[in-house]
Amino acid sequence: QVQLVESGGGVVQPGRSLRLSCAASGFTFSNYAIHWVRQAPGKGLEWVAVISNDGSDKKYADSVKGRFTISRDNSKNTLYLQMTSLRPDDTAVYSCAKDLTLGAADYYFDYWGQGTLVTVSS
Amino acid sequence: EIVLTQSPATLSLSPGERATLSCRASQSVRSYLAWYQQKPGQAPRLLIYAASIRATGIPARVSGSGSGTDFTLTISSLEPEDFAVYYCQQRSDWPRITFGQGTRLEIK
Repeated sequence: QVQLVESGGGVVQPGRSLRLSCAASGFTFSNYAIHWVRQAPGKGLEWVAVISNDGSDKKYADSVKGRFTISRDNSKNTLYLQMTSLRPDDTAVYSCAKDLTLGAADYYFDYWGQGTLVTVSS
Repeated sequence: EIVLTQSPATLSLSPGERATLSCRASQSVRSYLAWYQQKPGQAPRLLIYAASIRATGIPARVSGSGSGTDFTLTISSLEPEDFAVYYCQQRSDWPRITFGQGTRLEIK
């Protein structure tokens, strides 16, 4: 079955960096776009970024553009999110989510990981 | 940015009753709307995409309708496992994806 398992979260000071990972299994990873979505404690959902199946195309939410970088290693079935210049309002559970559609980014999310908590605080 | 407004914020119903959840967009999203269910401590689950297409494994009692700016998620007869938070999400304005603030469906 499809599994997405995030790791790399933790407590970090404002202005510092952190890299998240998402290990995928149960599907052909290289065939699907993958997204990062975050949820601040007690709040709703916010889309963060997407990367195409081959890694050639990346899109970001305005709130993270220029600070976060999404990447993937299809040989390792792993997605990454490099986060720099972190701010307190980046505090959230970060989840990776598989795109519904084979070979394209359709921006519907059919499988999600449980997420990893990032806390930005001094 | 397209703002999605869900109503009501909380819906209190009993098992067996019909649930009707609303999502209104600040501008047309055509039929590019999805619904998700989230239970405490769990990842969201895709229920409906393209406004009315049930995702794999979603029971027929769950249905979606609407287009343009007004959308509805209907659960025809509530089961105990249906009590959760529901989010709508638009992808019309990609990559500026937005979600609604959620409707909490609670047991009366």
